[in-house]
Amino acid sequence: AQKITQTQPGMFVQEKEAVTLDCTYDTSDQSYGLFWYKQPSSGEMIFLIYQGSYDEQNATEGRYSLNFQKARKSANLVISASQLGDSAMYFCAMRVFPGGFKTIFGAGTRLFVKA
Amino acid sequence: IAGITQAPTSQILAAGRRMTLRCTQDMRHNAMYWYRQDLGLGLRLIHYSNTAGTTGKGEVPDGYSVSRANTDDFPLTLASAVPSQTSVYFCASSDTDRNTEAFFGQGTRLTVV
Repeated sequence: AQKITQTQPGMFVQEKEAVTLDCTYDTSDQSYGLFWYKQPSSGEMIFLIYQGSYDEQNATEGRYSLNFQKARKSANLVISASQLGDSAMYFCAMRVFPGGFKTIFGAGTRLFVKA
Repeated sequence: IAGITQAPTSQILAAGRRMTLRCTQDMRHNAMYWYRQDLGLGLRLIHYSNTAGTTGKGEVPDGYSVSRANTDDFPLTLASAVPSQTSVYFCASSDTDRNTEAFFGQGTRLTVV
């Protein structure tokens, strides 16, 4: 069975500093995709970044990068130069391709950015 | 309609009653999903559909049913609501390409009393 684990219920970071949000996953399939979403207090889900299991380069999108370590089954999100607006819940998700589009999420990490 | 629309936005429901949460998308996405979000548990997949006419069970399917008669609609039905089904429910959809992100509705806050 597939599983996503986010071990940090809450994280604090100083404004303008970088922060790493942890995500580990478990699957026996070789073909899968990993996603990160942001959920601000308003409740909407915002897609941030994607990493495919066969991608050799770590994904980057602006201030977001994904530290993908396939052998360790980890896909940590790195946010550089944190901003107050980054305060939100962050969810890691996995889609295992042999299963079609079934996508499961972790429990999330709440990030607090301090001024 | 733009994106994914869920209805109702919120609902208070008596235990034992039947309830259908509606979800409609206008992006012609093949895949659709229903999640429930509970504090400390994140989003848990209830049911999903890879394409019209097919559905699959997620992580927490008990007490819920879905149908996918066409591409645009993916209703979620609670046959006999129980208090443990109090949650925020999100509908989502994604395109055919496996690496594309899911687009989410605004959520339905359901309280079963």
